[in-house]
Amino acid sequence: ELKVEQNPLFLSMQEGKNYTIYCNYSTTSDRLYWYRQDPGKSLESLFVLLSNGAVKQEGRLMASLDTKARLSTLHITAAVHDLSATYFCAVDKESNYQLIWGAGTKLIIKP
Amino acid sequence: KAGVTQTPRYLIKTRGQQVTLSCSPISGHRSVSWYQQTPGQGLQFLFEYFSETQRNKGNFPGRFSGRQFSNSRSEMNVSTLELGDSALYLCASSLLRAGELFFGEGSRLTVL
Repeated sequence: ELKVEQNPLFLSMQEGKNYTIYCNYSTTSDRLYWYRQDPGKSLESLFVLLSNGAVKQEGRLMASLDTKARLSTLHITAAVHDLSATYFCAVDKESNYQLIWGAGTKLIIKP
Repeated sequence: KAGVTQTPRYLIKTRGQQVTLSCSPISGHRSVSWYQQTPGQGLQFLFEYFSETQRNKGNFPGRFSGRQFSNSRSEMNVSTLELGDSALYLCASSLLRAGELFFGEGSRLTVL
């Protein structure tokens, strides 16, 4: 059974600091996704990672994928308050277009 | 370009009733997926539709059903509602089955 684990589940940090969210999954997968969710809102797609060694960056966020280690990271550089949200990773279950989700990392960035 | 539209946004039902939720995907998108989000269980896959056919179903009881129309619009139905069905139901569309998912704002269902 495919399981997706994120850590930490909660992160409170100061503006200007760097931090990394980790996403581990238990079986092989072709695609890994990162999404952001603001309170009471829907899910916003951040990154789609398709191959081993893939790295994508958008602003202060950078995501990477190591399929051999079954690990993806979401790195936040010089955090700003606007990045406060819950971040989810999701993995495509055996390429059958069914996403299995991590529990989410609630990120609070204090000014 | 219009995003994924879900209706209704909020609804309150009582146990035993049924509910139908609607999803209009982004124009041109042919794949529609449904997810349930609850504080306890997180995000869970319900179904995926492509070309009017259910291609995949998650681990939910038969009370949960859905369909997709020829214009790619989709509906999901929950019959004999239970308290535990209270959740945010999210619809997502993608151009292709393996594509990036774009989510709607969700339908928040409360069962009393």
